[in-house]
Amino acid sequence: EDQVTQSPEALRLQEGESSSLNCSYTVSGLRGLFWYRQDPGKGPEFLFTLYSAGEEKEKERLKATLTKKESFLHITAPKPEDSATYLCAVIGATNKLIFGTGTLLAVQP
Amino acid sequence: DTEVTQTPKHLVMGMTNKKSLKCEQHMGHRAMYWYKQKAKKPPELMFVYSYEKLSINESVPSRFSPECPNSSLLNLHLHALQPEDSALYLCASSRRDTNEAFFGQGTRLTVV
Repeated sequence: EDQVTQSPEALRLQEGESSSLNCSYTVSGLRGLFWYRQDPGKGPEFLFTLYSAGEEKEKERLKATLTKKESFLHITAPKPEDSATYLCAVIGATNKLIFGTGTLLAVQP
Repeated sequence: DTEVTQTPKHLVMGMTNKKSLKCEQHMGHRAMYWYKQKAKKPPELMFVYSYEKLSINESVPSRFSPECPNSSLLNLHLHALQPEDSALYLCASSRRDTNEAFFGQGTRLTVV
């Protein structure tokens, strides 16, 4: 069964304090790993797609990387507006987009 | 344009009511999805339509009935729901069922 585990569950950072979020996955026939941002009461907002180990994607203060077992979302010099829940999801051979439980990020000014 | 539009934004319904949630996209995507999300939990997959055909049904109770009238529209018909069905219902679409999915803002459903 496909599984996605995210850590930590919650992370509190000071503005400007860089850190990383982890997404470990077990999936048969990985077809894609996705990162989303979700604000309270809103739908998930697509951030990145990663398809193969070694791949990296960047957008503003965010950088996503992928290995054969896990993905990291690196946040460089975060700002309060980066506060949100970050969700990792995978699609495998079942063609089902399966989400991890998310990391709740709070960035304090 | 990566917009998926869901209506209504909020819905309160009694356990004997029949209502429908609507979802629309004009990105030419051929896969569409319904997810259910409870507070502080990740989205849970309910249904997947691929090229207007139901391809995945995650053993959802029959009180939830999906419909895909055409490639741009997706409906979720609700009947005889229970209070525990109260949640945020999310619609999403993707180019194909193995590509990144784009989500709507959801319908906040409360069953009383």
